Amino acid sequence: GAGVSQSPSNKVTEKGKDVELRCDPISGHTALYWYRQSLGQGLEFLIYFQGNSAPDKSGLPSDRFSAERTGGSVSTLTIQRTQQEDSAVYLCASSLAPGQGASYTFGSGTRLTVV
Amino acid sequence: GQQLNQSPQSMFIQEGEDVSMNCTSSSIFNTWLWYKQDPGEGPVLLIALYKAGELTSNGRLTAQFGITRKDSFLNISASIPSDVGIYFCAGQGSSYKLIFGSGTRLLVRP
Repeated sequence: GAGVSQSPSNKVTEKGKDVELRCDPISGHTALYWYRQSLGQGLEFLIYFQGNSAPDKSGLPSDRFSAERTGGSVSTLTIQRTQQEDSAVYLCASSLAPGQGASYTFGSGTRLTVV
Repeated sequence: GQQLNQSPQSMFIQEGEDVSMNCTSSSIFNTWLWYKQDPGEGPVLLIALYKAGELTSNGRLTAQFGITRKDSFLNISASIPSDVGIYFCAGQGSSYKLIFGSGTRLLVRP
């Protein structure tokens, strides 16, 4: 597609359940990033994928969070045993060239609500 | 995680007025970026700044990269209703990570 696609756009889940969030980056973009946006806050870095290199997971808040990127394209962010503090908008971005912030294109995000 | 200090948190202004918002950081950045986010959408880049002291315009928007490399401001002149949204600053150092401010929510009264 023309832009970064994220699904679902909204997800309501019960506390303790696992959720999977999906990101389809722009075709040909080798760099992919996940950010989290809590209510009234800026975006917080979670994880970065670049080609076949090992991902930078330094922003993941706990071991309940994990992410994969299969075939250098689609990425899934998994949150296990969700907690209410996990409620946020999860944004994915991709870029053709890593490291150039101005080239990042963001998706519309997945709004996660844990009840 | 690390965040920038962005102010003001919100502004409610009359259509036609000018707006100014700024960000400060304790760290030096190589790039300053300004984004706008509409409800239900991801941030969209407005202006990118790459050099200390740089002043860049995009239509009614003007942004500057502070001389100390620790601050930036964004001005919007002659605001219109479609300027409504949340504006974010972001700084980038030597890594690929963007550090975001907490946003300025702009409301414009027709």
